[in-house]
Amino acid sequence: EAGVAQSPRYKIIEKRQSVAFWCNPISGHATLYWYQQILGQGPKLLIQFQNNGVVDDSQLPKDRFSAERLKGVDSTLKIQPAKLEDSAVYLCASSLAGSGNTIYFGEGSWLTVV
Amino acid sequence: GEDVEQSLFLSVREGDSSVINCTYTDSSSTYLYWYKQEPGAGLQLLTYIFSNMDMKQDQRLTVLLNKKDKHLSLRIADTQNGDSAIYFCAEITVYGNNRLAFGKGNQVVVIP
Repeated sequence: EAGVAQSPRYKIIEKRQSVAFWCNPISGHATLYWYQQILGQGPKLLIQFQNNGVVDDSQLPKDRFSAERLKGVDSTLKIQPAKLEDSAVYLCASSLAGSGNTIYFGEGSWLTVV
Repeated sequence: GEDVEQSLFLSVREGDSSVINCTYTDSSSTYLYWYKQEPGAGLQLLTYIFSNMDMKQDQRLTVLLNKKDKHLSLRIADTQNGDSAIYFCAEITVYGNNRLAFGKGNQVVVIP
């Protein structure tokens, strides 16, 4: 079974530029998550989708971050404009619907803002 | 609310046992997880325990849960070089929309 796919793996941009990350979850997983992991910290949830609807985006900085999952499968996370403090690993994860189902993570997209 | 605490660094000799500890604050936690993160990689699920269990053993891994003290531990027997990584504990609560709340992680370094 294929895992969670993410691209690009690495991205370096200047502050105030924009960037987009793509995620393809495990087939059949209705729930998709974007986490932000700053160096030396644990991952923090940015947004959670159930199919193509948003379940939780309470920790998403909506002035600069946006995410969509239009057809309930792939998802994109965009940052515009980027700030230095956005340098982090952006982890996509997916799970079957329902509480207690195992959450599987992709390899992450590493962003450096200079 | 969710708040997961972990100690930061542990060095252990190859072949010895290593124990990583974690405390959490949300008593409504239903599942507690241990994830492993190797350098440059994503998070790999190691094991999990349901909140009505005290202990779970899975090959070299033993998870102990003390619900009264809200304390979770992971013991790795016969620690090997490939166990060098950062270990995160995480919890899911009944009210958390199946959302994982992570600790800051514990870096384990295995010394030959």
